Amino acid sequence: EVQLEESGGTLVQPGGSLRLACAASGFIFRDHYMDWVRQAPGKGLEWIARVRPKSYTTEYAASVKGRFTISRDDAKNSLYLQMDSLKTEDTAVYFCTRGYHGFNPWGQGTLVTVSS
Amino acid sequence: DIQMTQSPPSLSASVGDRVTITCRASQDISKSLTWFQQRPGKAPKSLIYGASILQSGAPSKFSGSGSGTDFTLTISSLQPEDFATYYCQQYKDYPYTFGQGTKVDIK
Repeated sequence: EVQLEESGGTLVQPGGSLRLACAASGFIFRDHYMDWVRQAPGKGLEWIARVRPKSYTTEYAASVKGRFTISRDDAKNSLYLQMDSLKTEDTAVYFCTRGYHGFNPWGQGTLVTVSS
Repeated sequence: DIQMTQSPPSLSASVGDRVTITCRASQDISKSLTWFQQRPGKAPKSLIYGASILQSGAPSKFSGSGSGTDFTLTISSLQPEDFATYYCQQYKDYPYTFGQGTKVDIK
């Protein structure tokens, strides 16, 4: 079964940093595009970052570019999101998802709260 | 950025109803469109990709159509488990963008 499981979400102060992780299983992780999508409380979905397989090149939404870094460790079947200079508007549930036939599947999400 | 506009924002329907949700892109995205279902407190689930291809494991009561700028998601016979919020998303160009969602609730 293809599965994704996020971890690392917590309460952090504005200006702080946090690293999210996503553990993948049930598929050949190194062959797939991987993405992060977030959802602020009561709001819609926002795509924020992608990392390609093999080349490891990346794409970002303007709202996070320069502050967030997506990366992957194919040996560990893991995806990461390093979040720096966090703002209150970064408060959201962060989902990892596989960029295959659209976005499929999704992890259950991890909550990041940015507040003083 | 490509803007995705869904309509209606919400709708009320009864069990057994046929429901159609529309999604319009601000520019031609060919068939690079996917539909998701999200139940409260849960992760999104992929229903359709490539505008009309049923995702593996998704029920056949869901169907998608369209290309270019205008797309539809149809639920052939609404069941209690289908009451949820539905999102479209384009993956033609970065940044990938979502519609604002359509909440389907019980009449």
